[in-house]
Amino acid sequence: DADVTQTPRNRITKTGKRIMLECSQTKGHDRMYWYRQDPGLGLRLIYYSFDVKDINKGEISDGYSVSRQAQAKFSLSLESAIPNQTALYFCATSDGRTGLDEQYFGPGTRLTVT
Amino acid sequence: AQSVTQLGSHVSVSEGALVLLRCNYSSSVPPYLFWYVQYPNQGLQLLLKYTTGATLVKGINGFEAEFKKSETSFHLTKPSAHMSDAAEYFCAVSEWGGSQGNLIFGKGTKLSVKP
Repeated sequence: DADVTQTPRNRITKTGKRIMLECSQTKGHDRMYWYRQDPGLGLRLIYYSFDVKDINKGEISDGYSVSRQAQAKFSLSLESAIPNQTALYFCATSDGRTGLDEQYFGPGTRLTVT
Repeated sequence: AQSVTQLGSHVSVSEGALVLLRCNYSSSVPPYLFWYVQYPNQGLQLLLKYTTGATLVKGINGFEAEFKKSETSFHLTKPSAHMSDAAEYFCAVSEWGGSQGNLIFGKGTKLSVKP
């Protein structure tokens, strides 16, 4: 079984709809991250969380919100989706106790906003 | 502020040829450096990392990278390309000790391998 899972894997939605992307991990890591990937732009950090009570904005948080429901679960919400949020979204985890910043990625969610 | 520059968004090599993917970084403190690989329709997988110690780092699938502080570089190499190496490769940097706990990624280099 995968250590970091994301649901759904693919989603098509309409402009203005609210959508939630979910991430779960079984690695026991305390830190979790949400990125979006766009062709030619690499990965950009949306939000990150170092523990259940800690939520931080990343480089491109506008239009997004997150919830850390438990150590193992970190959800990303688009309150009112717009077409330029069409992208590949990745969740990642890391173990803050090691201080090594090595991150482990989920398989991604491909989101299309029409 | 940290940054990562990957020279060349696309690199094409012949099967059996040397693979060289370039990465330069900017960091105000000793960096931790990473290379990740992304195969089509998959997430990112750690290829190798440099934290401290030996500057030549070996990773999976025959890849290696050398940390050169004087050149602020961490180029990825493989002596002989294989068709299965076709993927997108990302270089990333973090501050030593994980003061922010975040990775800064380059924009990626897509590697094509010709038969």
